[in-house]
Amino acid sequence: EVQVVESGGGLVQPGRSLRLSCTASGFSFVDYAMSWFRQAPGKGLEWVGFVRSKAYGGTTEYAASVKGRFAVSRDDSKSIAYLQMNSLKTEDTAVYYCGRDRYFAFNIWGQGTLVTVSA
Amino acid sequence: QSALTQPPSVSGSPGQSVTISCTGTSSDVGGYNRVSWYQQPPGTAPRLMIYEVSNRPSGVPDRFSGSKSGNTASLTISGLQAEDEADYYCLSYTSISTYVFGTGTKVTVL
Repeated sequence: EVQVVESGGGLVQPGRSLRLSCTASGFSFVDYAMSWFRQAPGKGLEWVGFVRSKAYGGTTEYAASVKGRFAVSRDDSKSIAYLQMNSLKTEDTAVYYCGRDRYFAFNIWGQGTLVTVSA
Repeated sequence: QSALTQPPSVSGSPGQSVTISCTGTSSDVGGYNRVSWYQQPPGTAPRLMIYEVSNRPSGVPDRFSGSKSGNTASLTISGLQAEDEADYYCLSYTSISTYVFGTGTKVTVL
């Protein structure tokens, strides 16, 4: 079965760091760019950032709201994409999803992991 | 990059058609055929309904169709069914190699 599973969410204090993982299975992870998204409680979807496949340099891009604080990376040997979140703010509280990029669209999503930033 | 503009809500009776608009700029919607649409019932992950403006993934009913004119993309649901009630979001690739979502539209089946 083609799927991705997010993990690593939880309660964290403002200013601290947290790393999320997105574990893929059922497809050739090395061939795909992977994106992270988030959805604050009761709000809409927001794209956070992505990492290209190694074939396209493995480079990253970010939304302006997280640039400089968040970093996306990948470990193709483990089929895992990561989202390193630093200097967390209360407004980063959200369900975080990862998704597989195909034709500049996302047909595979995980169930999400909740990150709560609160003192 | 500002969010793409969608109407907050649309509604229709079963069997009717509804259309959701998604307005951006020439730097996103108008500049690329890289617009996709997602359905999100409450408490669930988004589901891809349309990619590259008008293509349907396998398993998506042909009641769902997409189009684009200038800086505005549209999703039409024909023959509305109760199971179509959900939030819908458009997504576009942008000229600075990022993505931007629409503000979201709640579809209500009367």
